[in-house]
Amino acid sequence: GAVVSQHPSRVICKSGTSVKIECRSLDFQATTMFWYRQFPKQSLMLMATSNEGSKATYEQGVEKDKFLINHASLTLSTLTVTSAHPEDSSFYICSARSGIVRNTEAFFGQGTRLTVV
Amino acid sequence: AQSVTQLDSQVPVFEEAPVELRCNYSSSVSVYLFWYVQYPNQGLQLLLKYLSGSTLVKSINGFEAEFNKSQTSFHLRKPSVHISDTAEYFCAVSLYSSASKIIFGSGTRLSIRP
Repeated sequence: GAVVSQHPSRVICKSGTSVKIECRSLDFQATTMFWYRQFPKQSLMLMATSNEGSKATYEQGVEKDKFLINHASLTLSTLTVTSAHPEDSSFYICSARSGIVRNTEAFFGQGTRLTVV
Repeated sequence: AQSVTQLDSQVPVFEEAPVELRCNYSSSVSVYLFWYVQYPNQGLQLLLKYLSGSTLVKSINGFEAEFNKSQTSFHLRKPSVHISDTAEYFCAVSLYSSASKIIFGSGTRLSIRP
């Protein structure tokens, strides 16, 4: 199946700094990418949907200025956690869907565990 | 709006026993249905999906799920589980569009006892 690569897999940062997470579709063009957040032993919470070349659509309750999403190309989307705080510590997962192939499922990255100290 | 309900947060079973993980969905329009599996500290892997056609869909590792429109269910079953099936299982729905977001259920933790 299609491959989505997410980097880094783990990151530890100091409170107040920013962290960038990359999500790449390696063998298909992802017109739409999604960013999820997962708390321990809980389900995935959709944070935002990004379409290539346009602004991301954020879910209710997600701070746009806190979680900056860029989808500049058909194979790359980035999530930047700005001025990170310990409560931002979580597991972040991206997924991508192809706009070319119909009836396609979303492919998921391996996730990024963010720890803010 | 769409929603997914997984009634069982945890399902413990003995190895080689059958298992059923329940999933019910709510939607006013037709949807695609999925089961994803997540192993510890990893992303999600697609287990199987229902898009159209035969209501019984099967995965390569022995899992199967049946779409029941009248009961709005998509339960996951396996006749004989293995230790390696220990994981978190998520049921999900999506609208008929490649740009549609996927809505996940709360997940069911399947733990296999030897």
